Amino acid sequence: EDKVVQSPLSLVVHEGDTVTLNCSYEVTNFRSLLWYKQEKKAPTFLFMLTSSGIEKKSGRLSSILDKKELSSILNITATQTGDSAIYLCAVPNTGNQFYFGTGTSLTVIP
Amino acid sequence: GAGVSQSPSNKVTEKGKDVELRCDPISGHTALYWYRQSLGQGLEFLIYFQGNSAPDKSGLPSDRFSAERTGGSVSTLTIQRTQQEDSAVYLCASSLGLAGGHITYEQYFGPGTRLTVT
Repeated sequence: EDKVVQSPLSLVVHEGDTVTLNCSYEVTNFRSLLWYKQEKKAPTFLFMLTSSGIEKKSGRLSSILDKKELSSILNITATQTGDSAIYLCAVPNTGNQFYFGTGTSLTVIP
Repeated sequence: GAGVSQSPSNKVTEKGKDVELRCDPISGHTALYWYRQSLGQGLEFLIYFQGNSAPDKSGLPSDRFSAERTGGSVSTLTIQRTQQEDSAVYLCASSLGLAGGHITYEQYFGPGTRLTVT
């Protein structure tokens, strides 16, 4: 059965800390993995990863895919209170159904 | 430009009633998805529309759930004879989808409809 698992479930850090969020997947005919940030209701797109070992970066956020390990990590450096959110990982299957993990809830304390 | 819109933003209904949730995708997006998110849970896939193709309904939890997409644009998710376990936030997303033989996966989400069944 296709599935996406994220860890940790929740994380509390202080401003300025660096965090690493994990996503592992078991999806038939993998093609891409996506990261989203969900603050209130609507998730917003962060990254899409298709190739192993190539880091995608946007400001203090970066992500990399490891197809051998069937996993991806999302790094956030110098965290700020505005980074507090749920971070979701999603992988589409052959039929373009998206499997989402339960997310990692990040709380950044001032 | 206009993003994905959903209505209503909140809906409270009595158990046993039918509800309709609406999604207006981004103009030009051929793919439309419905998800359900219960408290503290991830997004649960419900249904996927791609252009004029038959929708992928494999995520619908029961036959009380149905969805339509008229004219390749607006979509309506209908839940008949609502149950308390249907209470959740229903999210709609659209993407460029399949265009020119290439699939674009980046999805843009609407603000969701919070459904409460009492």
